[in-house]
Amino acid sequence: EAQVTQNPRYLITVTGKKLTVTCSQNMNHEYMSWYRQDPGLGLRQIYYSMNVEVTDKGDVPEGYKVSRKEKRNFPLILESPSPNQTSLYFCASSYRQGGGYSPLHFGNGTRLTVT
Amino acid sequence: AQTVTQSQPEMSVQEAETVTLSCTYDTSESDYYLFWYKQPPSRQMILVIRQEAYKQQNATENRFSVNFQKAAKSFSLKISDSQLGDAAMYFCAYRSGKKSSGDKLTFGTGTRLAVRP
Repeated sequence: EAQVTQNPRYLITVTGKKLTVTCSQNMNHEYMSWYRQDPGLGLRQIYYSMNVEVTDKGDVPEGYKVSRKEKRNFPLILESPSPNQTSLYFCASSYRQGGGYSPLHFGNGTRLTVT
Repeated sequence: AQTVTQSQPEMSVQEAETVTLSCTYDTSESDYYLFWYKQPPSRQMILVIRQEAYKQQNATENRFSVNFQKAAKSFSLKISDSQLGDAAMYFCAYRSGKKSSGDKLTFGTGTRLAVRP
């Protein structure tokens, strides 16, 4: 089944403790990205990647890191999480379609709480 | 920068009735795409409908249709014959047609739709 898999689904951690949220897609998509969802703000892009070893900042990159060593994986790293990073996180992927891009395929989300 | 505005934080509809969710956007571009996503309590992001700006015809997917008014920069979603399973948060989203923008979506703040039995 074609899918974007995020882990974990839920995560509770404490301020300053490094964590990684994994994301993997089995569709050979070139493009992958991370979004965070907050009440009243919708979803906002954190980082994106157009291919292996090519990553760039989105709208809210502060406090996050990413890497793209393999085409299928795009982990999100919080080196020193803070309470303002408590949010619902989504990984997404897409591919070139015609002159543009396919619709985004989203993972099922990771609910992160930082105390 | 593009912005997407959903002015209705919450809406309610009677089962089997029709409801329209509003979305407006601001852009100086002529080439772009608009989307409606549904997010049920399971948190999944489900694509409901997609509209290319260069197409004058409004997109339709079964009970879901849009009213795309390019000059007014309006992109409303109409749900006909509402069902209990339509209850969800609905997000309107914009994507630039520029290659340099990649596949980035700019989202509105969402409208929570309740369906009354």
